[in-house]
Formats: sequence, C-alpha cells, structure tokens
Amino acid sequence: SAVISQKPSRDICQRGTSLTIQCQVDSQVTMMFWYRQQPGQSLTLIATANQGSEATYESGFVIDKFPISRPNLTFSTLTVSNMSPEDSSIYLCSVVDFGGRGTEAFFGQGTRLTVV
Amino acid sequence: AQSVAQPEDQVNVAEGNPLTVKCTYSVSGNPYLFWYVQYPNRGLQFLLKYITGDNLVKGSYGFEAEFNKSQTSFHLKKPSALVSDSALYFCAVRNQAGTALIFGKGTTLSVSS
Repeated sequence: SAVISQKPSRDICQRGTSLTIQCQVDSQVTMMFWYRQQPGQSLTLIATANQGSEATYESGFVIDKFPISRPNLTFSTLTVSNMSPEDSSIYLCSVVDFGGRGTEAFFGQGTRLTVV
Repeated sequence: AQSVAQPEDQVNVAEGNPLTVKCTYSVSGNPYLFWYVQYPNRGLQFLLKYITGDNLVKGSYGFEAEFNKSQTSFHLKKPSALVSDSALYFCAVRNQAGTALIFGKGTTLSVSS
C-alpha cells in the first residue's frame, strides 16, 4: 500500500484565517484527491488534484475557498481559506495508483481542523 | 448517478458471534465496490474490494464481503467478531468517472465482550 504523510494532524484556528494541509506520498501516484469528513458524517469529495494543472472541484466546492496545488506526482496541498466554524472537519488526502498497486484508494491519517 | 446506502447507523454484536454490516448500491454500469474501516482519530484503512470475478471477496483482518448483483448488495461479514473490530465502517463505490469514491454514511460496529 502507499504510505501517505499528512500534515498537520490537527490544528485549532481562528476564524478568518487560512490553513494549508500537506500530503506527501512515498511514491508517484496517478491520482490524488481531497475529502472532507464533517463531524459525525461520511466523507465528501472536495476535489481531484491534477498534476501541473488546476484542480477539478466537486459541486459545492470552489477554488477560492479550497485552493489546491499538485506540483508533482507525490505531493499536494489543500488550503482552507477564510475559515469559519462550519469548516471544522477532518480533511483527508487520498491516492489511487491506477495501473500500479491496484485500484483501491489509500488515505492519509487526516487533519482534524477546529475553527474557533 | 452512483450511490451506496448503509441502512444501519449501528450494529451491535457479542464477541465470537458472526457479524454483518449491510451495504446496497446503485450504479450505472459495472460496480466497483469497496469497504473501509476507520478507527478513532485514524484515517481510513482499506479492507476489501469487488471489481469482477468471484462474488465472495476476502479481505484484511478476517473480513469478507459477498457481492449480490440481483439484490445490488455488498454486505461485509466476519464469522467471529472481536472486540477490536469495533470501529466505523464505510461502504464505497467508484464514481462515474471511475476515479474517486462515493461513500455511504457509515455504520458503527460495536462488539461487546
């Protein structure tokens, strides 16, 4: 399985500020994704991080609020901008290595964000 | 549109008893189905998947799942539950683009000693 390092593991932030979450994979992977898990809820896809181009966002998520970078095949960042308490969630990075290790997705440990 | 449903918020079983966590799916085309487990303050761990082939899929930690096309179900099972199996379980299906996952709401499994 892919080894995914996600930082920070948790943070408490003031409303109106921004937080950047990093996702580092131990090898090159085809696809990287960012999910949000709101308290007591399931996972919802925020966007697909595309290497060298703009991310593809799901309905309800916009680039101004959740800018994403993916400069290479092993690294991505998600920024949560202008935070409000409603952004308090666990944010998870996920990778799939189609054609490599298989078709299952692997997940980082998540970033538990609390906005106060 | 692809979707999965987990009809039970919580499943309670006694240690040593068999367990079943239910999942039904709705997809256009062939389903790519997955089960994940989430322990407290941890990320998601992959348990097993169905892509094609044998309807009974074996996975990690003694779990298995049975794919039933006629009932559009993919229930997770284990013959003998352990207290350490207590966690949050998610069923997921690959999205229509064939890339990311669409998750069910999750089922909390509680195994009592």
